[in-house]
Amino acid sequence: SAVISQKPSRDICQRGTSLTIQCQVDSQVTMMFWYRQQPGQSLTLIATANQGSEATYESGFVIDKFPISRPNLTFSTLTVSNMSPEDSSIYLCSVERLHDTIYFGEGSWLTVV
Amino acid sequence: GIQVEQSPPDLILQEGANSTLRCNFSDSVNNLQWFHQNPWGQLINLFYIPSGTKQNGRLSATTVATERYSLLYISSSQTTDSGVYFCAVGFTGANSKLTFGKGITLSVRP
Repeated sequence: SAVISQKPSRDICQRGTSLTIQCQVDSQVTMMFWYRQQPGQSLTLIATANQGSEATYESGFVIDKFPISRPNLTFSTLTVSNMSPEDSSIYLCSVERLHDTIYFGEGSWLTVV
Repeated sequence: GIQVEQSPPDLILQEGANSTLRCNFSDSVNNLQWFHQNPWGQLINLFYIPSGTKQNGRLSATTVATERYSLLYISSSQTTDSGVYFCAVGFTGANSKLTFGKGITLSVRP
């Protein structure tokens, strides 16, 4: 398994501000993934973060809105920029471990007012 | 992209009942996983099962890759089984990423 810690766990943010979410893993991993889960919806992949290279973004997500850092093999951040109420979601960090099994952090619940 | 359909969308059970959750997918994949999201939002990996059958306690899963479907069986359901069950499919390796279905909301009544 994997121990994945996310901060903050919850936050209420003002429209137009930015928030950075941190993801810390208990051991080194090659790929880290950031997902968004809008209220009552399924999970949508935002981007894949590899250490030492630019993140790879999925269709509909851009770096200016969701900049990602991956400074080492155990840590990543996702910033949600210039937030609007439509960004209210759970943001989830995940990693791939042994035998391609995916594990998720506890999620960061963002409410934009 | 790959389409993932889960059925039924909602399921209500009496404690102790058995259930079968289904996942159909549109293309050949070599990665299929089942997750349970509890009411507090935590996602737990239940099975990595691109093919074959696995069992873990009261849960078991079967994937028939050639027919592009997977089934999750829950036996003797408990109230703690409530939540949303997601099927996710995709590929392993350098292009590893998962596409999630819309989920099945299970409510187990005492």
